[in-house]
Amino acid sequence: AQKITQTQPGMFVQEKEAVTLDCTYDTSDQSYGLFWYKQPSSGEMIFLIYQGSYDEQNATEGRYSLNFQKARKSANLVISASQLGDSAMYFCAMSPTTSGTYKYIFGTGTRLKVLA
Amino acid sequence: EAQVTQNPRYLITVTGKKLTVTCSQNMNHEYMSWYRQDPGLGLRQIYYSMNVEVTDKGDVPEGYKVSRKEKRNFPLILESPSPNQTSLYFCASSSYGGNTEAFFGQGTRLTVV
Repeated sequence: AQKITQTQPGMFVQEKEAVTLDCTYDTSDQSYGLFWYKQPSSGEMIFLIYQGSYDEQNATEGRYSLNFQKARKSANLVISASQLGDSAMYFCAMSPTTSGTYKYIFGTGTRLKVLA
Repeated sequence: EAQVTQNPRYLITVTGKKLTVTCSQNMNHEYMSWYRQDPGLGLRQIYYSMNVEVTDKGDVPEGYKVSRKEKRNFPLILESPSPNQTSLYFCASSSYGGNTEAFFGQGTRLTVV
């Protein structure tokens, strides 16, 4: 079964420190994409970062990096130098491509609170 | 500006009164889908469409209908809403491949009383 697991319902981090949000996935597809989205309190879904299953290097986008460990089926999001504006819900998602449906499967989310 | 537009943003309705939530994208994306978001459950897919006139059920399709008559539009229809359909709904679109991000609408917060 295709599944995304986020085991941290909520996390706190001190401003300016780094934080890692965990994500593990389960799929039998060989080709898939992994994504992270941010949902602030206003509700919209903001795309943060993408990692392809065949990408050998970890993806980075500004202060966001994705720690991709294929053998462990994990795709953790690392936010460096946390800011107050990073307080939000974060969703990990996967899109298997070889199955042909291009479905996006989401985890249950991690609510991050950045402390001043 | 590339965007997915949902309407309305907020809706309170009564049980059994048919409603439609509209979704339109201007990126010429083939793939569109609807999700509902509930606390502790993340986003669950309701229906998706691979192209015009091609739709299929997601994980939680009961009580919902969709149509895809034009590439840009993908409305969500609740024929007889019930209180358990109170939720935050998102429309999303993407190009094929699974290697591009899904673009989301602003969300529709639906309350059924």
